[in-house]
Amino acid sequence: EPEVTQTPSHQVTQMGQEVILRCVPISNHLYFYWYRQILGQKVEFLVSFYNNEISEKSEIFDDQFSVERPDGSNFTLKIRSTKLEDSAMYFCASSDDAGSPLHFGNGTRLTVT
Amino acid sequence: GEDVEQSLFLSVREGDSSVINCTYTDSSSTYLYWYKQEPGAGLQLLTYIFSNMDMKQDQRLTVLLNKKDKHLSLRIADTQTGDSAIYFCAEIPSYGQNFVFGPGTRLSVLP
Repeated sequence: EPEVTQTPSHQVTQMGQEVILRCVPISNHLYFYWYRQILGQKVEFLVSFYNNEISEKSEIFDDQFSVERPDGSNFTLKIRSTKLEDSAMYFCASSDDAGSPLHFGNGTRLTVT
Repeated sequence: GEDVEQSLFLSVREGDSSVINCTYTDSSSTYLYWYKQEPGAGLQLLTYIFSNMDMKQDQRLTVLLNKKDKHLSLRIADTQTGDSAIYFCAEIPSYGQNFVFGPGTRLSVLP
């Protein structure tokens, strides 16, 4: 069965550094998402992306965050200058239609020290 | 705003049934979802129900939907140790296409 894959599985970075989290969505999906889950807390929506542009973003997704689909297969989340509170699991998801079930990757655990 | 609520913990004995409950706020939601998260893993879609249905059964899983009370439940029959995980209820609010997740219910299955 097709899967969403995310790399790396764990990323450790120092405060103030830039990180790029990578995702390969399911190939025929058109809608892409990033969610995050701070340890022990809710799964929170960050951003959705369709037709090469952001369709919606949450308050969490401030100027430090950006997303890109650099080619036909990858979908990336960049955090420009990481803060301690950015430490979380970041999940990428994709779907074939708005409102269809999301298919999630296994996440990238980001640790900011 | 929207808020999806769940009880945070549930313990059951192996072989018993588990019932995980969820309340949601947006009566216009068309689909409601259950996801499972095993330790260190991503969110796995378990099942979902369309809002014009009252019940959906899929092997050991039964989903019940009470639209009037905005209450969704997931019943797992013959619960096994492999069912130990966090279960998330999720909805898509009518005004957007982004899933809203509940806080998750941690299911512990005791031998």
